[in-house]
Amino acid sequence: TQLLEQSPQFLSIQEGENLTVYCNSSSVFSSLQWYRQEPGEGPVLLVTVVTGGEVKKLKRLTFQFGDARKDSSLHITAAQPGDTGLYLCADVAGGSNYKLTFGKGTLLTVNP
Amino acid sequence: NAGVTQTPKFRILKIGQSMTLQCAQDMNHNYMYWYRQDPGMGLKLIYYSVGAGITDKGEVPNGYNVSRSTTEDFPLRLELAAPSQTSVYFCASSSSTGTANYGYTFGSGTRLTVV
Repeated sequence: TQLLEQSPQFLSIQEGENLTVYCNSSSVFSSLQWYRQEPGEGPVLLVTVVTGGEVKKLKRLTFQFGDARKDSSLHITAAQPGDTGLYLCADVAGGSNYKLTFGKGTLLTVNP
Repeated sequence: NAGVTQTPKFRILKIGQSMTLQCAQDMNHNYMYWYRQDPGMGLKLIYYSVGAGITDKGEVPNGYNVSRSTTEDFPLRLELAAPSQTSVYFCASSSSTGTANYGYTFGSGTRLTVV
């Protein structure tokens, strides 16, 4: 069973600061997805990365996939209170194409 | 709006009671899932279904049952509720060709407390 480790577990910052959260795996990712979950809601997909070394940008969010496809990072520039939430990484179970394994998440709080 | 609808949003059960958590999707997705989310523990898969009439156990199936008689509906049944089943339950769906690209669509969850 693949283990996904996310760090840090908690992060509290001031509005305007930059931050990076990480997702590491005990084995190679098939493909990796990042979700954001706001309080009282279900997770919502932010991005999928597939190729080692891939970088994707979504406004102020930059997602990086490690060359060896065993790690990924999410960098947020000039964080805003609306970025507050639980950030989850998930691996699509190799071969199945439909089952996701989730990390425990990073709980981000951006204070005004 | 199209998506995954879960009912109820909140429920308090007494130990030993039973209930059914409802989940419906209108996106014609083949795959449906039930997860539970406990603080600091992430999402754990309870049961999943790859199509009507087909279900399979996930990581934490004990104490739960599911059925999938239609593409749209995937109810989760709790028999003999226990305090360990206090959690937030999420239903999700995905298409047979789209999980790797489009991910899951989640409902907004059911917060269950067993007392």
